[in-house]
Amino acid sequence: AQSVTQPDIHITVSEGASLELRCNYSYGATPYLFWYVQSPGQGLQLLLKYFSGDTLVQGIKGFEAEFKRSQSSFNLRKPSVHWSDAAEYFCAVGGLGTNDYKLSFGAGTTVTVRA
Amino acid sequence: DVKVTQSSRYLVKRTGEKVFLECVQDMDHENMFWYRQDPGLGLRLIYFSYDVKMKEKGDIPEGYSVSREKKERFSLILESASTNQTSMYLCASRVMREAFFGQGTRLTVV
Repeated sequence: AQSVTQPDIHITVSEGASLELRCNYSYGATPYLFWYVQSPGQGLQLLLKYFSGDTLVQGIKGFEAEFKRSQSSFNLRKPSVHWSDAAEYFCAVGGLGTNDYKLSFGAGTTVTVRA
Repeated sequence: DVKVTQSSRYLVKRTGEKVFLECVQDMDHENMFWYRQDPGLGLRLIYFSYDVKMKEKGDIPEGYSVSREKKERFSLILESASTNQTSMYLCASRVMREAFFGQGTRLTVV
């Protein structure tokens, strides 16, 4: 069974500081990995995704994530946080196979940005 | 741009009512999903469909059913709504490399 764990429920960070959100997954084969962001009252927006190749992937809004197979992790980072980054962030894992369609999400991490 | 449209942003229904949540996508995707989102629990998969008339249970299917008669439309049905089904419901459609979400339907059961 596939699953995603986001250990941090809530993170508070100062504007301009760096941010790292943790994600650990469980999946029996090579996964597709995603990070989504949801601003208050908004739908989910894809930040970035990983399928293969370079384990450091760049996304929108200055975010990046690193896939570490040995740790089953896909942590999200941003070097300098802006007030507009306050949102809820979701990590997700999905299958690669043509018969494996399920996409599973973590519980989310809420990010608060203080001035 | 891919568009996933959910028919209602807000719904208020009474306990025991049969409720239909509709979702339409415009990109001919085979895979469609229904999630519910609750604070602290993230997105939990209710049902998904990988083709017309094909469906599979997700993690929390109890109290729900689905219908996919046409490729572009995926309906979530609450056979007899209960107050514990008050939640945000999100529909998604997926190609292998990305899932696209609708804006969500906030359902309140009173």
